[in-house]
Amino acid sequence: IVMTQSPDSLAVSLGERATINCKSSQSVLYSSNNKNYLAWYQQKPGQPPKVLIYWASTRESGVPDRFSGSGSGTDFTLTISSLQAEDVAVYYCQQYYTTLHTFGQGTKLEIK
Amino acid sequence: EVQLLESGGLLVQPGGSLRLSCVGSGFTFSSYAMSWVRQAPGKGLEWVSGISGNGGRTFYADSVKGRFTISRDNSKNTVYLQMSSLRADDTAVYYCAKPCSDGWYWIDHWGQGTLVTVSS
Repeated sequence: IVMTQSPDSLAVSLGERATINCKSSQSVLYSSNNKNYLAWYQQKPGQPPKVLIYWASTRESGVPDRFSGSGSGTDFTLTISSLQAEDVAVYYCQQYYTTLHTFGQGTKLEIK
Repeated sequence: EVQLLESGGLLVQPGGSLRLSCVGSGFTFSSYAMSWVRQAPGKGLEWVSGISGNGGRTFYADSVKGRFTISRDNSKNTVYLQMSSLRADDTAVYYCAKPCSDGWYWIDHWGQGTLVTVSS
């Protein structure tokens, strides 16, 4: 499964909304449990990634509620409702529908 | 506390071989599938390989299939990545990664990574 994110980079003003899209080449919705096998990660320079969202819309414990995930099937969105300075990072989507857990190419988020 | 500690990253010549190790602690190691994910300098994440908890199932990205071998020793809480026929485009930080629960799910813990440089 190929994961394609858009845009590749994004500049947003502090306090404004940031939206990152992720499209999979085939559906990652597992019909038997109606779950989308899609996660979002945040990676800051010099650090390993950190999971933000799993099952496409479930926020990981401790992740601020300004982060939200949505979508189903092949089209997904990560939204940061009010950008904070500490949100500057690269964001990746990942599918775990197949055992080859492919990532999107990443979206670099900066402050405008 | 879950910890993953990778080792083995080195400078190696093209065509050479290298074995990476990752020791896990703070969880029941044998109950979890484990993966290796790499990141070339300034590039994105690439899932490389995964192995089931008992080692019976292994999976590889097309880019490394036939050159890399993943294995594990649950008595030592260690997963390995044997890399051979190394190429310049294998240069990357290699992360050891643990899923959130038994099975093939999202990654909830990562090691700090070990750098592999393939260059003459």
